[in-house]
Amino acid sequence: TAGITQAPTSQILAAGRSMTLRCTQDMRHNAMYWYRQDLGLGLRLIHYSNTAGTTGKGEVPDGYSVSRANTDDFPLTLASAVPSQTSVYFCASSGDGGSDTQYFGPGTRLTVL
Amino acid sequence: EDQVTQSPEALRLQEGESSSLNCSYTVSGLRGLFWYRQDPGKGPEFLFTLYSAGEEKEKERLKATLTKKESFLHITAPKPEDSATYLCAVSNFNKFYFGSGTKLNVKP
Repeated sequence: TAGITQAPTSQILAAGRSMTLRCTQDMRHNAMYWYRQDLGLGLRLIHYSNTAGTTGKGEVPDGYSVSRANTDDFPLTLASAVPSQTSVYFCASSGDGGSDTQYFGPGTRLTVL
Repeated sequence: EDQVTQSPEALRLQEGESSSLNCSYTVSGLRGLFWYRQDPGKGPEFLFTLYSAGEEKEKERLKATLTKKESFLHITAPKPEDSATYLCAVSNFNKFYFGSGTKLNVKP
């Protein structure tokens, strides 16, 4: 079982360019999440989706957008990247929102120059 | 304010030297407490979920316990392969709160 896959593994992006980070899960989980992880700041929630067709804002949503057209996919888009968005991005999923255990993907390392 | 605090930030142990990691939390309406292991360059790997005070769970050399204010991750006779960052998280209705982690280094 693949679990959660993320693409690309890493990327260098020029400031001002747009990019979409891809996330796919094969566990038929209802809820999906995007986090960024920065040294000294831990994991911070960017956006989440409790079920297909719905999304919500997390702790640090500015500069990011998401969509949830189906159960399996949850892409994260940076419309106009800035250097402060340099980070490691993790996608996660859980059976349901709230108390259910979250399972994480392998991450995407993004550098914005 | 809901928050999760982990201590220590870093811990260095000799192989076989048992110790404990702490996760203290202030969250209204706790739904669950989670422990993860994260290796460098990888995503967090799920270890345990605890739902109520007094609950304990074990896996190999790891044992997690929960009280109303904190959780401990006890590591018994650790090996070098236990070296990793251990993350604690709590859930409250529809939110997860992560601690900053404890970086464990076990020397042979």
